Amino acid sequence: AQSVTQLGSHVSVSEGALVLLRCNYSSSVPPYLFWYVQYPNQGLQLLLKYTSAATLVKGINGFEAEFKKSETSFHLTKPSAHMSDAAEYFCAVSLAGAGSYQLTFGKGTKLSVIP
Amino acid sequence: DAGVIQSPRHEVTEMGQEVTLRCKPISGHDYLFWYRQTMMRGLELLIYFNNNVPIDDSGMPEDRFSAKMPNASFSTLKIQPSEPRDSAVYFCASSSGMTGGDQPQHFGDGTRLSIL
Repeated sequence: AQSVTQLGSHVSVSEGALVLLRCNYSSSVPPYLFWYVQYPNQGLQLLLKYTSAATLVKGINGFEAEFKKSETSFHLTKPSAHMSDAAEYFCAVSLAGAGSYQLTFGKGTKLSVIP
Repeated sequence: DAGVIQSPRHEVTEMGQEVTLRCKPISGHDYLFWYRQTMMRGLELLIYFNNNVPIDDSGMPEDRFSAKMPNASFSTLKIQPSEPRDSAVYFCASSSGMTGGDQPQHFGDGTRLSIL
């Protein structure tokens, strides 16, 4: 069974500062990994995904994430936070080639950006 | 392109009433998912369909919940009778094909359900 742990339910950064949101996964087989963002009163929107093509994945809005197998991590970063980045971020894992589909989400990290 | 469309966006009803949530997936997507989101439990997968057939309903909390997908462009999630603890935001999502789960899911804006 796969699982996802997001460290920190709430992260605050100053505008212009580095954003780092942590995600660790557990999977018995090579995983597919996703980051989603949820703005208030909206559904989840895909930021980026890792599907084994490259360990550094670039997404929308200047975000990127690096897959580190040795650390079972898939942390999300952005060099400079913008006020519009304030939202909740979810890491998710799916099993590769599992035959049946289940996307397991972390509990989310709420990002606040301080002006 | 039209995304996943859910209706209604908000629903307030009294305990014991039947509630029906509706979802129209993205055209061409053959997987459809129903999720529930609460502060306490986060995002929970309730059920998912492939080509209109329910594949895994192990997340459905109890028999009061049922879901159908009569055709490729429409699905419903029904709660009967509803209880206050069913209050949550319910999301529908769809995805295209599945080559081992690498296709992202596209989410609707959700239905915020309040049971009084």
